[in-house]
Amino acid sequence: EAGVTQFPSHSVIEKGQTVTLRCDPISGHDNLYWYRRVMGKEIKFLLHFVKESKQDESGMPNNRFLAERTGGTYSTLKVQPAELEDSGVYFCASSHWTGAYEQYFGPGTRLTVT
Amino acid sequence: DQQVKQNSPSLSVQEGRISILNCDYTNSMFDYFLWYKKYPAEGPTFLISISSIKDKNEDGRFTVFLNKSAKHLSLHIVPSQPGDSAVYFCAASVYSGNTGKLIFGQGTTLQVKP
Repeated sequence: EAGVTQFPSHSVIEKGQTVTLRCDPISGHDNLYWYRRVMGKEIKFLLHFVKESKQDESGMPNNRFLAERTGGTYSTLKVQPAELEDSGVYFCASSHWTGAYEQYFGPGTRLTVT
Repeated sequence: DQQVKQNSPSLSVQEGRISILNCDYTNSMFDYFLWYKKYPAEGPTFLISISSIKDKNEDGRFTVFLNKSAKHLSLHIVPSQPGDSAVYFCAASVYSGNTGKLIFGQGTTLQVKP
């Protein structure tokens, strides 16, 4: 069974540009989560999809971030326009059940905004 | 406001000895706790979890202890092996919630010396 995959693994963009991150969850997992780790600090929740619906987006920092999950399969996270403080590692995770169950994480996308 | 805290940024132990990683939380609504291990350039990997109805859960060399009155949990690794060297994250969630978002601590870097 393939794990959670994320693309790209690393992205370097200039302030003001747009970047789109992609996550492919484990097949059959309805729940998809986005998290972010900034500057070696804690991993922070961004949002949660159940299939194609946003279940919880309380962690999204501002309206420069847009997440979609068309068809309930893969998800994209777009940052537009990117700011310096958006730099960090963006993790995607998926789980089969909704609720407090173990989540399987992807390798992350390292975003550097210069 | 940091709801989950790992106050020790790093820990160094000798191979074969016990490693004890600690975690404190402030939100009394949390009732499900997880430990994740993370190697460099990889995503977090689930290790072990515990529900608040228990005070101990064991899986091979890993044991998690929960002290609800003190809002404290710990991860014991016995015996420690060099391959256990990684960053360990404590995470908490609300089991009955309709979102499984995880609240993470800052992580503790464990080094196991041969």
